[in-house]
Amino acid sequence: SQQGEEDPQALSIQEGENATMNCSYKTSINNLQWYRQNSGRGLVHLILIRSNEREKHSGRLRVTLDTSKKSSSLLITASRAADTASYFCATDANAGKSTFGDGTTLTVKP
Amino acid sequence: EAGVAQSPRYKIIEKRQSVAFWCNPISGHATLYWYQQILGQGPKLLIQFQNNGVVDDSQLPKDRFSAERLKGVDSTLKIQPAKLEDSAVYLCASTLGLRETQYFGPGTRLLVL
Repeated sequence: SQQGEEDPQALSIQEGENATMNCSYKTSINNLQWYRQNSGRGLVHLILIRSNEREKHSGRLRVTLDTSKKSSSLLITASRAADTASYFCATDANAGKSTFGDGTTLTVKP
Repeated sequence: EAGVAQSPRYKIIEKRQSVAFWCNPISGHATLYWYQQILGQGPKLLIQFQNNGVVDDSQLPKDRFSAERLKGVDSTLKIQPAKLEDSAVYLCASTLGLRETQYFGPGTRLLVL
C-alpha cells in the first residue's frame, strides 16, 4: 500500500473558503512534501517540511507535521478558483525515494 | 533556469510495440527519477538514478521496461513490448541532491491500443 495516503479523496468548496487536506503515513520519514497537479499537467512542488519541523508557511499555504501521529496537513486559506487541482503528499523515508499517495482532488467553485 | 524537459508529450502505440521516452533534467541535478502515473492515482516510482548509477529500481518491471542515464545527464525510459496496462503518464523529475525538492517535467502521456 502507499506510504502516504491523502484524505479526503475529494473536496469541493466555495471561493474564499479555506481548504484542509490531510496525509497519513506508516513509517518514519526524513521529510514530507506537498505537490499540486493541474489536470493533464506535471506536478508543481508546494512545500517541503523536514521531520524536525512542525509547521511551515508559504503565502496562503500552511503545512503542519505531527511525527508522533505520522500525519501532515495542508491548509489553503482564502481559496481561489485557480487552486482547483489535485494535491499529493510524498514521503521520503529512504535515500531520497519519495512515495506518493493517490491525492485529494480539490474543486473551488467561483 | 530551464525546467525538466520531456519528449514526446504524447504517444499512441499498439500493444506489443516498443516506445521510448526522453528526459533532460535541470542542469546540475544529480538525481533523476522516472514515475508512472495511472489515471486517478498518484505517481509510482519506477527508477531512481544518482548521476549515472541506479539507486532504486525495485518497482521497475524489468521484463519489459529499461532505463539508462548515460553520462549522468539525459535519461531514456523504454518499454518493449508494451501492454494495454502501460497506458499512463510517465513523469521525469530531478533534484539537486537526495532528500531535496523534486522538480517535475510535463510528462509523456502514453496510450496503448
